[in-house]
Amino acid sequence: DAGVTQSPTHLIKTRGQQVTLRCSPKSGHDTVSWYQQALGQGPQFIFQYYEEEERQRGNFPDRFSGHQFPNYSSELNVNALWLGDSALYLCASSFVRGKEQYFGPGTRLTVT
Amino acid sequence: EDKVVQSPLSLVVHEGDTVTLNCSYEVTNFRSLLWYKQEKKAPTFLFMLTSSGIEKKSGRLSSILDKKELFSILNITATQTGDSAVYLCAATKSNTGNQFYFGTGTSLTVIP
Repeated sequence: DAGVTQSPTHLIKTRGQQVTLRCSPKSGHDTVSWYQQALGQGPQFIFQYYEEEERQRGNFPDRFSGHQFPNYSSELNVNALWLGDSALYLCASSFVRGKEQYFGPGTRLTVT
Repeated sequence: EDKVVQSPLSLVVHEGDTVTLNCSYEVTNFRSLLWYKQEKKAPTFLFMLTSSGIEKKSGRLSSILDKKELFSILNITATQTGDSAVYLCAATKSNTGNQFYFGTGTSLTVIP
């Protein structure tokens, strides 16, 4: 049983560029959440997707957007990258009413 | 504003020592508190606590929640080098689905 997978593992972009990160949830899970973890900080909630719609959103600007596909996989898009967007981006999956989230290995984004 | 605070920020101990990690929270509509261990990238689930005073144990790790004083502790006895990691606590709310509010984590280093 595959756990949560994310791609790519690492990514280097320059300021102003756009990036797309991908996540496949754990088998049987229907809800995907995205988190940003800056160095030395705890993960910060970006948004959550269920039934292909954004259900919850944290305190992140509109430059951060997402999508969920019918197979429950999800993408995180970030436009007009800033240096401050450099972080580990974690995807977590769960059942919509589940109490536990299972995290993927993350994508390390570096903006230069 | 909802917040989760962990202490200490970092800790260095010798193998065999017992450690106590603290997590306090101020979260409206609190539902549960979770502990995760993060070694390299993906946080891995340790415990979920919803009721006060009921200790959860898993091997050398144990945790308890105090909903009156709004805190939780994670104890690790007879520490081993493999316990070296960042320990994260997160609170969930009853009205925001599976959105997690993380603390900044406690970095534990166990020296042989």
